[in-house]
Amino acid sequence: QQQVKQSPQSLIVQKGGISIINCAYENTAFDYFPWYQQFPGKGPALLIAIRPDVSEKKEGRFTISFNKSAKQFSLHIMDSQPGDSATYFCAARPYWNQGGKLIFGQGTELSVKP
Amino acid sequence: NAGVTQTPKFQVLKTGQSMTLQCAQDMNHNSMYWYRQDPGMGLRLIYYSASEGTTDKGEVPNGYNVSRLNKREFSLRLESAAPSQTSVYFCASSEEIAGKSYEQYFGPGTRLTVT
Repeated sequence: QQQVKQSPQSLIVQKGGISIINCAYENTAFDYFPWYQQFPGKGPALLIAIRPDVSEKKEGRFTISFNKSAKQFSLHIMDSQPGDSATYFCAARPYWNQGGKLIFGQGTELSVKP
Repeated sequence: NAGVTQTPKFQVLKTGQSMTLQCAQDMNHNSMYWYRQDPGMGLRLIYYSASEGTTDKGEVPNGYNVSRLNKREFSLRLESAAPSQTSVYFCASSEEIAGKSYEQYFGPGTRLTVT
């Protein structure tokens, strides 16, 4: 039933490098694509989100790229820092839904080495 | 402003025992959610409540029941715990602004082990 597929499952990046996490969805009826960041022992928190009418959104070192025709979206973390080490989840909101119900990807555990 | 709070933080149960996980939010949100998080499986929705007085099944509702006690509180009950229910449980809430915001706010989680 998982309609949002996330890769890779884990990622190791050197400090200062670019971290890239990819998600693909199977249903075109999504209207909101957020990314959540989760530190160990904590609940996830919204990092950045995009709507399908734009192809890119940037907030500081974090950028979402969205490819509607390919049904894919990705998170790029520029100049990755050890403090970015966390688990990242992509998600999608079915447009027919009542409220803010989201379908989450499987998660990517990012480790940034100093 | 505490946000979303969950109790307990940790719990160990024996197979067949029952328990209730409590969740409360102080942001006056209409919608509340219960998720479970397992390695490699991401966050899977168990139940959600779009507004006070309504609840609906999510992706993995079997073995669970919920109660939306009032606008603030949303509890999750395991009637007869099974080892497959060993997981980390998260409660979340949101207030949708159509076309603009669907941000969910998560609690700190409950780590449940069923032996």
